[in-house]
Amino acid sequence: QSALTQPASVSGSPGQSITISCTGASSEIGSYSRVSWYQQHPGKAPKLMIYGGNKRPSGVSNRFSGSKSGNTASLTISGLQAEDEAHYYCCSYATTWVFGGGTKVTVL
Amino acid sequence: QVQLVESGGGVVQPGRSLRLSCAGSGFTFSSVGIHWVRQAPGKGLEWVAVIAYDGSDKYYADSVKGRFIISRDNSKNTVSLQMNSLRAEDTALYYCSLGNDMDVWGQGTTVTVSS
Repeated sequence: QSALTQPASVSGSPGQSITISCTGASSEIGSYSRVSWYQQHPGKAPKLMIYGGNKRPSGVSNRFSGSKSGNTASLTISGLQAEDEAHYYCCSYATTWVFGGGTKVTVL
Repeated sequence: QVQLVESGGGVVQPGRSLRLSCAGSGFTFSSVGIHWVRQAPGKGLEWVAVIAYDGSDKYYADSVKGRFIISRDNSKNTVSLQMNSLRAEDTALYYCSLGNDMDVWGQGTTVTVSS
C-alpha cells in the first residue's frame, strides 16, 4: 500500500475556509469510506478529527468536515481559527493502514 | 477515562532488539484492536502494525514485516511490540492507538537506534 498524497502546506486567514486533499489509489479511498483525519499540534499526540469519511467524534467542532470524491478525500475547515494551526494527516485502510504525508496548516 | 500508556523505549544499537508495551485502561481492552504508529523526528506518521481484539489477526507495514512482532495479553490489558534487527531508520516516537479509526492515542515512547 503506497502512501496517500497530501499537499505539504495550506494557509488561510482567520474566518476563511480551507480544504486539504488526500489522494490515493481506488483500493484505498475509492472503494471504502474508511478514511480518517488527524490533527497534530507540535509535541502532542495526534487527535482524531474525522472518521468514516465524514463523521465527527464527540467534542470535535462542526467547523471540521470530511468528504470524498472518487479517489480523493478532503478535509474542510471552515471559520479558520488560530488554534487550527497544526499538521493534518489523512489515513485510509483496507487490509493494512496507510497515512498521507501530512499537511501543515498555517493561519495567516 | 480511556487511556493508553506506552513504555519500553530507549537507546539501542543497530541490530539489537527492544520490546515496547502499551497499557490500556478505562475501556474494555479485550474488545478492540490496537495499533502501533511511529513518527521519525520531524517527519509524518507511519503506520507500523495492528492486532485484532483477540490476537487472531495481525498485520504489519512492509518496512517492519519479518522484524517486528505484535502481541497482546488481554488478562493484563497490554499490547507489546517486539522489535528485532533494529535499524537507524526505526528511530522514532512510537504511539499506540485504539480501534479501526485510531480514536485514542497514547503519548508515545521514544526509540533511538544508534551506535
